[in-house]
Amino acid sequence: GENVEQHPSTLSVQEGDSAVIKCTYSDSASNYFPWYKQELGKRPQLIIDIRSNVGEKKDQRIAVTLNKTAKHFSLHITETQPEDSAVYFCAAGKAAGNKLTFGGGTRVLVKP
Amino acid sequence: KAGVTQTPRYLIKTRGQQVTLSCSPISGHRSVSWYQQTPGQGLQFLFEYFSETQRNKGNFPGRFSGRQFSNSRSEMNVSTLELGDSALYLCASSSGSAQETQYFGPGTRLLVL
Repeated sequence: GENVEQHPSTLSVQEGDSAVIKCTYSDSASNYFPWYKQELGKRPQLIIDIRSNVGEKKDQRIAVTLNKTAKHFSLHITETQPEDSAVYFCAAGKAAGNKLTFGGGTRVLVKP
Repeated sequence: KAGVTQTPRYLIKTRGQQVTLSCSPISGHRSVSWYQQTPGQGLQFLFEYFSETQRNKGNFPGRFSGRQFSNSRSEMNVSTLELGDSALYLCASSSGSAQETQYFGPGTRLLVL
């Protein structure tokens, strides 16, 4: 089955700096890659997603890139703010159904 | 639209008991997926129901089961509880089309003693 690895597991950045989280997946049939943000005690919330027919997608301070050949995708957060502090999860899914395989998560701490 | 709701929010059970958790999806959504979240294993897919049929299944033992009703509400059941079943159980709803956004509920935190 699909296996998603996520690095780093923790990331500490200074406010205003950029944060980058990387994920690799194993199943070349995966073609949907969402990113979720989970604040302490709250539910995961989708922040951005990318499909395999697109190499890059941007939404304000957040961008995701996908390299299907290398089977990896990354989340980029620019101009980080304290409210970006949370755990971020990458995931991979296929065309059939809604089964998502999640990475292990990255705890991001933005220091003011 | 109201979001995904889950009941109960917290639950304490003892080993050997069984438990039923409920998930009400966003109105109009036909797919409900269940995930187990633990500090050690992260977020793991349990199963997905679409139009009252199990469409996908993860790698959990048969003690974990689910069902979906005609109004798309879903329940999951865990029988013969083990200590390791202590976790946050999250459900997520979506329209049912592949690659559509899954919206998570607040979760049910289960503690097995």
